[in-house]
This record gives sequence, C-alpha cells and structure tokens, in this order.
Amino acid sequence: DAKTTQPTSMDCAEGRAANLPCNHSTISGNEYVYWYRQIHSQGPQYIIHGLKNNETNEMASLIITEDRKSSTLILPHATLRDTAVYYCIVSMGTGNQFYFGTGTSLTVIP
Amino acid sequence: GAVVSQHPSRVICKSGTSVKIECRSLDFQATTMFWYRQFPKQSLMLMATSNEGSKATYEQGVEKDKFLINHASLTLSTLTVTSAHPEDSSFYICSARDGGRALNIQYFGAGTRLTVL
Repeated sequence: DAKTTQPTSMDCAEGRAANLPCNHSTISGNEYVYWYRQIHSQGPQYIIHGLKNNETNEMASLIITEDRKSSTLILPHATLRDTAVYYCIVSMGTGNQFYFGTGTSLTVIP
Repeated sequence: GAVVSQHPSRVICKSGTSVKIECRSLDFQATTMFWYRQFPKQSLMLMATSNEGSKATYEQGVEKDKFLINHASLTLSTLTVTSAHPEDSSFYICSARDGGRALNIQYFGAGTRLTVL
C-alpha cells in the first residue's frame, strides 16, 4: 500500500513556483522519497528523489523536513507543459517496489 | 537518460484471445522490471515484479496464470494477457530498474492501451 498522502488537485499560475506537498509520516529510516509525474496517457517520468537532504536538479527541487515526515516538490517556474499528475512515493533504495498513491493533479493556468 | 520502450502502444483484440506486450530497456541492463495496470482516472497499480532469469512475483489479487510474465534477458520482459476479457481492458505500463546503479530509480515505458471487445 502507498505510504503517502497528497492533495487531490492544485492550480498554479504560469511562471510562478508550484509547491506540491506530500505527507509520509510512517517513512522508515532507509526509505527514500521519489517524485514522478504522469502526463495524460503516458508513462510516469522520474523527477527527483532524496533521503534526508534537500535536493535540486534541472527539473525541480525537493525539500524534506528534518523529521522526514513530509516533503515538498518545487517547480520553480511552472509552464503549461508541467500540467500533469504528480506522484510522491516512498521506497527503499535497493530495488524495492513502488506503490503509487492517488497523486496530485497539477493544472498550470495561463 | 535511460530509455524504456514498450510495444505495442495500442492493441484491440477479441474476447478470448491472448495479447503479448513487450518491454525493453534500450540503453541499460534491467535486472528488475515491473508491470503496472492503470484504470481510467485511477493511479498505477503494481501487478508484478520481474527479475531476470527467475519467476515473477505477483501482487496479491493478481492472477499469475492470466498475466504471464517472462523476463528472459536483461533487456526484455514480456507480459501476456491470456484469454482476455473486456474487464482486462486497461492501460498497462512497464518499468525497469537500472541494474548498474545502486539507486532504486524506475524508468517507465509509454504504456500499452489494451481494449478487449
């Protein structure tokens, strides 16, 4: 079963930062937080992952709270092409399965 | 980046026939591949975990005799939906984990939309 909860939907104005929260209060010490997104009728796309430190790559930033019970994915300058369902997943770092929750449907508004 | 190819992208078949879906890792060796199913407006549901050279591990409630999985090489896994019925109509997605990396990043195929008439 998924160990994460996310808001069902969010809107964001084009050009503004999109902040997507995820709650994973039962995360264990050796579990990572992964973020993926799925654009309609396509396979999920990897965005970023982290263990306990904040992470940044060319797509997004990941902020993980000190107690690791929640995290936030930040898309710094949202574009219309960022409209998608965003999934937060917790899983161990050694090949374990992903159990997807319901995700957040992000709509970027012009 | 790591690329996973899934074929076919769409398939329509008659009830009672079998359908095979292929999942290939194009530029890495996938020691582990995963198969998911997604119904409209729902999230991805893990069906099975496939390790190269061994039998797949199926999630609870997934019929192994109906959804046959073969992972005969480090770059190819196949899912065969046997004796398909309309209720098997769904979006099937595979993913592959890069065996050459320690991290548990899964790379996903584009999915196969199966319609059973």
